[in-house]
Amino acid sequence: QTVVTQEPSFSVSPGGTVTLTCGLSSGSVSTTHYPSWYQQTPGQAPRTLIYTTYTRSSGVPDRFSGSILGNKAALTITGAQADDESDYYCVLYMGSGIWVFGGGTKLTVL
Amino acid sequence: QVQLQESGPGLLSPSQTLSLTCTVSGGSVSSAGYFWTWIRQPAGKGLEWIGRIRPDGSTNYNPSLKSRVTISLDTLKNQFSLKLSSVTAADTAVYYCARDALGSGANYLWGQGTLVTVSS
Repeated sequence: QTVVTQEPSFSVSPGGTVTLTCGLSSGSVSTTHYPSWYQQTPGQAPRTLIYTTYTRSSGVPDRFSGSILGNKAALTITGAQADDESDYYCVLYMGSGIWVFGGGTKLTVL
Repeated sequence: QVQLQESGPGLLSPSQTLSLTCTVSGGSVSSAGYFWTWIRQPAGKGLEWIGRIRPDGSTNYNPSLKSRVTISLDTLKNQFSLKLSSVTAADTAVYYCARDALGSGANYLWGQGTLVTVSS
C-alpha cells in the first residue's frame, strides 16, 4: 500500500518562510491527487487550509500557499507567526474514491 | 452556516460495535454534490481517513477497515452514521465527521470530534 510521506518535524523563525512537503512512497504527487492541507493545534479539530493543490479555504490568510514542487505537494508559509506553531497534515486522492493522509508535520516557530 | 456534530458512546468493550452519528445543521445530507466523511485520530497520532458516503448512498471505505466499516445516511433525521465492528484498543481515537464537496477535493468542513475509548 502506498504511503503518504511528510517531514515529522520542522522549525522556522518568526517572520521566516517554511515549505512543508507531501510525497508518496512510490511515485510522484501531481494535481490529480488533489492534495489538501490541514492545520491542527492540540485539542482542536483540524482546520482546512488548502484544497485541490492551490486553493485556499475560506478565511485562510494568503501567507499560506499550496503548490507542486518537483514530485511532491508543498505547503508554504511566509511570514511565520507564533500561532502557526501546529501540526500540519496533507491528504491525497488515490483513486477509486479513496483518500490517504500523511503522517503529519509538527511545526515549531522559534 | 453548516455545522456538524458527532455523538455516540464514549466507552466500548473489545469486540463490540462502535456506533457514531453525525448530525448536520444548516444544510441537508440529501444535497447533491457533497460527500459525508468519517476520519479518526488516535491520541498523539495522525489522521486516518475511514470512508465517505454520497447522498445517493454510494460509499467508499479505507481498504484497511473495509471489512468492519459501514457508513449510512438518515435523511429524515439529517444525519449520517458510522459503524465499526469488532473493535479493539487500536480503535481508540477521536472520531471526526466532515463534509466535502464534489469537485473541491478534500475541502473538509469538520465536526469538533468525539473521543471513543475501547477498554475492558
